[in-house]
Amino acid sequence: GENVEQHPSTLSVQEGDSAVIKCTYSDSASNYFPWYKQELGKRPQLIIDIRSNVGEKKDQRIAVTLNKTAKHFSLHITETQPEDSAVYFCAASSNYQLIWGAGTKLIIKP
Amino acid sequence: DTGVSQDPRHKITKRGQNVTFRCDPISEHNRLYWYRQTLGQGPEFLTYFQNEAQLEKSRLLSDRFSAERPKGSFSTLEIQRTEQGDSAMYLCASSSREYNEQFFGPGTRLTVL
Repeated sequence: GENVEQHPSTLSVQEGDSAVIKCTYSDSASNYFPWYKQELGKRPQLIIDIRSNVGEKKDQRIAVTLNKTAKHFSLHITETQPEDSAVYFCAASSNYQLIWGAGTKLIIKP
Repeated sequence: DTGVSQDPRHKITKRGQNVTFRCDPISEHNRLYWYRQTLGQGPEFLTYFQNEAQLEKSRLLSDRFSAERPKGSFSTLEIQRTEQGDSAMYLCASSSREYNEQFFGPGTRLTVL
């Protein structure tokens, strides 16, 4: 069935450095790829998304890249700050349903 | 507040009791989703509505779980004869027909004693 793999499961970076989280998907019909940030005890929040007709999208310090041929997409966070500490989830969709990755716990070291 | 709302935010119940949760989606959204999330895991899809029609239900959902969206606006999720394994955060999300973006409510945290 449809599957999304996400790596790494935990990522620790120094404040100010960049963080990269990678996801691969199995369904070649997937055409929508959102990223969610979830802080402890709070709801998942959509931070950026990309559709299959675009290779890259940027919003201030965050960017997402998509390689449809390889079926993988990545989240890039530059100049990381303490408030970026959270669990990040990728997802892929070909219709109404999101297939979720297992999440990456991002730790920003001061 | 024009976001997704859920009620109650917390529910503690004894094993064997029935519980019901409510979700109010963003008003112009016709799609509504229920998820379950346990600590350290991603959201697990439970069921999906388009307007008042329940179009998909996860195979993981036992017959103790039922959801409704009678007028295509708010939705309820009922769990009958609760078990300790039902303890989790129950999240609701909504999206519009045109766009896939799903926006989540704050969740209902269920604890079954």
